[in-house]
Amino acid sequence: GQQVMQIPQYQHVQEGEDFTTYCNSSTTLSNIQWYKQRPGGHPVFLIQLVKSGEVKKQKRLTFQFGEAKKNSSLHITATQTTDVGTYFCAGRATDKLIFGTGTRLQVFP
Amino acid sequence: GAVVSQHPSWVICKSGTSVKIECRSLDFQATTMFWYRQFPKQSLMLMATSNEGSKATYEQGVEKDKFLINHASLTLSTLTVTSAHPEDSSFYICSARLDFGGETQYFGPGTRLLVL
Repeated sequence: GQQVMQIPQYQHVQEGEDFTTYCNSSTTLSNIQWYKQRPGGHPVFLIQLVKSGEVKKQKRLTFQFGEAKKNSSLHITATQTTDVGTYFCAGRATDKLIFGTGTRLQVFP
Repeated sequence: GAVVSQHPSWVICKSGTSVKIECRSLDFQATTMFWYRQFPKQSLMLMATSNEGSKATYEQGVEKDKFLINHASLTLSTLTVTSAHPEDSSFYICSARLDFGGETQYFGPGTRLLVL
């Protein structure tokens, strides 16, 4: 079945450093979504990418959808302690949204 | 807008009892709702797609007789964990998709179930 993997699984950074998580799907996606889940909380929608090669920015966050629509990345510039949490990509191939394995980000002040 | 609530937020029960979890879309109609399960430090696993007025669609490996889903109205879906066992202890999260709002899913706050 469809699988969505993310790397790295964990990332610890010093506040101010950059962070990137990569998402890879075993199948071509119609779109990809990114979510953030704070410890003890529920996933919160960040963004959706639809077009091949699409790049979207939200303040310090940059999201990219690969040309083949099978991979995506999330880059955070100059991390802050408020960025702590687990970032999930979620790919849609059919009618279902399949969540990636997640990358847990820890930011040290 | 697009708020989804879940009730209860916490459940502790004895093995063998059944637990019902409610998922409500508070300010929008949702023909389709989704139920996920998340074990500690793991990803969200889709259990089933709940469709208003029809039977739920279960993912492979999810027992439909174990996890009963009822989507009786456009704003409410319920998940009943029947004869719960300790291995059913998990974080259950529902999400709802706006009927006319594209593919964004709005997640409820989740329900933590602990079966003793």
